[in-house]
Amino acid sequence: DIQMTQSPSSLSASVGDRVTIACRASQSISNYLNWYQQRPGKAPKLLIYAASTLQSGVPSRFSGSGSGTDFTLTISSLQPEDFAIYYCQQTYTTLRTFGLGTRVEMK
Amino acid sequence: EEQLLESGGGLVQPGGSLRLSCAASGFMFGSYAMYWVRQAPGKGLEWVSSITSNGGSGGTTYYADSVKGRFTISRDNSKNTLYLQMNSLRAEDTAVYYCAKGVPWLLDAFDIWGQGTMVSVSS
Repeated sequence: DIQMTQSPSSLSASVGDRVTIACRASQSISNYLNWYQQRPGKAPKLLIYAASTLQSGVPSRFSGSGSGTDFTLTISSLQPEDFAIYYCQQTYTTLRTFGLGTRVEMK
Repeated sequence: EEQLLESGGGLVQPGGSLRLSCAASGFMFGSYAMYWVRQAPGKGLEWVSSITSNGGSGGTTYYADSVKGRFTISRDNSKNTLYLQMNSLRAEDTAVYYCAKGVPWLLDAFDIWGQGTMVSVSS
């Protein structure tokens, strides 16, 4: 099975900050990497698919990069509604594993 | 509008069974792979099971090791409904269960999620 490792597990930031979250796969997954946002009590929401493609309706302050085993999610200027948990997910294999998540908290 | 609506959660004793349903609307249900994902209280997301669309591989199923042999995913395209039959339930199966739709041209990313249904396994 492919393991997905996110770092950090949590971070504190202020509105307007640039935030970067890393995700590493235990083996190459090409660009089969997705990012989701989950707000408290809500279902996850797709932000980015294929490592770097913004899902329709997602603000352009979100961006993704990477291929192979190393990926990043960047929020260019953190907004109040962005305080949430972010998960990466690989869809390279039939076992669609998620990372453990990164909690973005208000400083 | 594309929507998924789960039902069937509840409180069940260890060793018991439960069947979850996920009603789809607003898209051609039979054309998409569907998924179950769960989230234990205070924990992260865990992929549980997948079923392919009827095209090509004809409803092939996949399971996480943690549920293999106990859970069965199925679909009824005539009713636009996804199911998860859960047997031999354990305390560690306690979670919110989400169904989700995968989109092939998004490299199988899950673009639509239901609101979730809570399953509690306890005596």
